[in-house]
Amino acid sequence: DVKVTQSSRYLVKRTGEKVFLECVQDMDHENMFWYRQDPGLGLRLIYFSYDVKMKEKGDIPEGYSVSREKKERFSLILESASTNQTSMYLCASRLAGGTFQPQHFGDGTRLSIL
Amino acid sequence: RKEVEQDPGPFNVPEGATVAFNCTYSNSASQSFFWYRQDCRKEPKLLMSVYSSGNEDGRFTAQLNRASQYISLLIRDSKLSDSATYLCAARNNAGNMLTFGGGTRLMVKP
Repeated sequence: DVKVTQSSRYLVKRTGEKVFLECVQDMDHENMFWYRQDPGLGLRLIYFSYDVKMKEKGDIPEGYSVSREKKERFSLILESASTNQTSMYLCASRLAGGTFQPQHFGDGTRLSIL
Repeated sequence: RKEVEQDPGPFNVPEGATVAFNCTYSNSASQSFFWYRQDCRKEPKLLMSVYSSGNEDGRFTAQLNRASQYISLLIRDSKLSDSATYLCAARNNAGNMLTFGGGTRLMVKP
């Protein structure tokens, strides 16, 4: 079974802090993704990575950056947290190639910015 | 217009009922499709992929209609445990990114 692990289930931070969300997968997947999910807005893609050291902006990258130094780890960074970044953050990974390879999600991190 | 759209529901059905959801997509180049199930405050979990010829997994049947650009999910003999939000997703022809619908909430009542 694919295992995608996010470092925290719940996190509370203050406005202006630099926040790191970590995601690790154990299936040697090339592709990794960060989403946020908000009521009424659904899942929105923040950043994704095709492979190590590669990254691409998704639909809502503003205020975020990412790091993919190792294949198994994809980090999401909130450079200076703001209250509108309070959300559920979901990491996903996928084996590259093959049209029907699905994405597998981690448990999610519920982040509150005060 | 959103690229992938779903009726948010909720669909309230009695146990044992058959219920169907549709999901429309606007990008005709979309190559593959998926249904995910998401329980309250949990992560989405893959329910099934949707193949061109349609596919069935137990009580669940998924179909694709390329001409009208929608996919469907049929649940037969609904169980209380089927209560969840069902997300559809479409992959573009570049292959790596999924676009998700907003989800359809299903509530199965005794």
